[in-house]
Amino acid sequence: GAVVSQHPSWVICKSGTSVKIECRSLDFQATTMFWYRQFPKQSLMLMATSNEGSKATYEQGVEKDKFLINHASLTLSTLTVTSAHPEDSSFYICSARDGSLASYNEQFFGPGTRLTVL
Amino acid sequence: GESVGLHLPTLSVQEGDNSIINCAYSNSASDYFIWYKQESGKGPQFIIDIRSNMDKRQGQRVTVLLNKTVKHLSLQIAATQPGDSAVYFCAENQAGTALIFGKGTTLSVSS
Repeated sequence: GAVVSQHPSWVICKSGTSVKIECRSLDFQATTMFWYRQFPKQSLMLMATSNEGSKATYEQGVEKDKFLINHASLTLSTLTVTSAHPEDSSFYICSARDGSLASYNEQFFGPGTRLTVL
Repeated sequence: GESVGLHLPTLSVQEGDNSIINCAYSNSASDYFIWYKQESGKGPQFIIDIRSNMDKRQGQRVTVLLNKTVKHLSLQIAATQPGDSAVYFCAENQAGTALIFGKGTTLSVSS
């Protein structure tokens, strides 16, 4: 149980284009999803928190107009990197919290999406 | 802001040795701590967690120790195997908030 998938697993795009990354909870309802970014040899940095049906909360320094997050259902959140540039190349990882669990601490992580912007 | 940090960026051990990976955290309000293993190109893989009302928890070949007095967390891996080679992250949060990750320790196991 508690499986989170991401699609695509990797993507290469040209500078200036937009890329959408999907995060799905496969066997549970995710009331909250989180998006992280990880640069090579660095840790996971929280980008934003999204609750189903409401606007995402972005961390300081993360541009909300560049990283559009939509959490329209309890099993799907999307991250769209708009007008991507080479410096946006990174490993993007989502995680989800199971709303049915009594614990509000646990998060289940997806396998990540490698974005390369040429 | 407050964040979780690590004492040592790399750790090299021989197969069969015990490994100890350390982590310091700064948010005294955190009540949940977790260790993840991450292999290259993959997402974080859960290893073991512990809540703030405990100071020790054991799993299969792994033990997590929590010292709230000095805000220190450690992961002990018994009989380390080559397959344990990876980057290990500690993370912490309070109920309802996102997990915040430490910098990571690279564990290298030689046979």
